[in-house]
Amino acid sequence: TQLLEQSPQFLSIQEGENLTVYCNSSSVFSSLQWYRQEPGEGPVLLVTVVTGGEVKKLKRLTFQFGDARKDSSLHITAAQPGDTGLYLCAGEEAGTALIFGKGTTLSVSS
Amino acid sequence: EAGVAQSPRYKIIEKRQSVAFWCNPISGHATLYWYQQILGQGPKLLIQFQNNGVVDDSQLPKDRFSAERLKGVDSTLKIQPAKLEDSAVYLCASSSGQGGGNEQFFGPGTRLTVL
Repeated sequence: TQLLEQSPQFLSIQEGENLTVYCNSSSVFSSLQWYRQEPGEGPVLLVTVVTGGEVKKLKRLTFQFGDARKDSSLHITAAQPGDTGLYLCAGEEAGTALIFGKGTTLSVSS
Repeated sequence: EAGVAQSPRYKIIEKRQSVAFWCNPISGHATLYWYQQILGQGPKLLIQFQNNGVVDDSQLPKDRFSAERLKGVDSTLKIQPAKLEDSAVYLCASSSGQGGGNEQFFGPGTRLTVL
């Protein structure tokens, strides 16, 4: 059974701080996605990474896919209150359903 | 472009009662997914449809859960009878195709509380 472990589970920081959340697995994925979910809403896709070692940037967010395609990280620079939410990683192996991690709940206070 | 619509947004029922959820995907999206998200966990796929056919229902508790997408557009998910452990948010998502290259768009979910 494929499992995705996310850490930390909870993160509470001040506006302007930097942070990194991690997504780890013992399985190899063909692609990995990061989602952000706000209370009362469904997850919204932030990025998809497909190549080992790939780095993608989305404004203040930097996503990295591990060389072996088993792990990923999300780094946020100068966090803002609007970044508050649940960050989920989801891995896909070809032909199978997306497997979601439990998520990292981020709270950014001003 | 309208997003994925779900109703109701909230539902409270007693255990052993029945409940149904409705989802209308983004127009033209062939693939529809139902997920269960228990508090503190990520979404877990219950069933995936491609048009009106089932692609994956391996994690659907078929003794109490059923889903249909008769005309290949909107879908309903039913629980009969409900158990306490079914309390969760039920998310519907749609995509234009299958696989990781196709972005899944999620609806706001239905929050079910079973008392």
